[in-house]
Amino acid sequence: AQKVTQAQTEISVVEKEDVTLDCVYETRDTTYYLFWYKQPPSGELVFLIRRNSFDEQNEISGRYSWNFQKSTSSFNFTITASQVVDSAVYFCALSPHGRGANNLFFGTGTRLTVIP
Amino acid sequence: EADIYQTPRYLVIGTGKKITLECSQTMGHDKMYWYQQDPGMELHLIHYSYGVNSTEKGDLSSESTVSRIRTEHFPLTLESARPSHTSQYLCASSESDRMNEKLFFGSGTQLSVL
Repeated sequence: AQKVTQAQTEISVVEKEDVTLDCVYETRDTTYYLFWYKQPPSGELVFLIRRNSFDEQNEISGRYSWNFQKSTSSFNFTITASQVVDSAVYFCALSPHGRGANNLFFGTGTRLTVIP
Repeated sequence: EADIYQTPRYLVIGTGKKITLECSQTMGHDKMYWYQQDPGMELHLIHYSYGVNSTEKGDLSSESTVSRIRTEHFPLTLESARPSHTSQYLCASSESDRMNEKLFFGSGTQLSVL
């Protein structure tokens, strides 16, 4: 069974603070992919990152960084020096290897509000 | 960036009406998807298509139907809307020749059935 848990329903931070969004996943597959998507108030989900299960290197992209730890089945997302434009709902998702996007399992999302 | 469009953005209708939610993409993607999203809940796949004349049901049972007559167009239809159909509907597409690929989403249609 595949499952993604985002325990933080809502988070509020003051602008320029750092914030970490948690994602814990469950899968019996040995090979899989993990994703983060951002859903701003405009509605469309925007792809942020995809990692495969063999690549545990942390990734940094500007103010965004991702910490993938297979030992704890977590794929956490950190925003450094948050900005108002970061306010959105963030979704973590899991896809078993070799499957199409019709086998993509989403978490329930974390609503981030950045207060100016 | 993403060229996938959904109309209408918001729709409020009465029970029993037939509705069609439109979704079009200009990226030439063969794969397209419809997701249903309720507040505080994960996205659930209700329909997908691998190309023209291909449609499949997703993991969430839905009374809606879809069609794929043209590559760029993937409309969703409810023959008789009910209040239980009130939800956000998101259309997406992905590149044809890859697995575990990223999705491109439209802005969604917020449907309210009274």
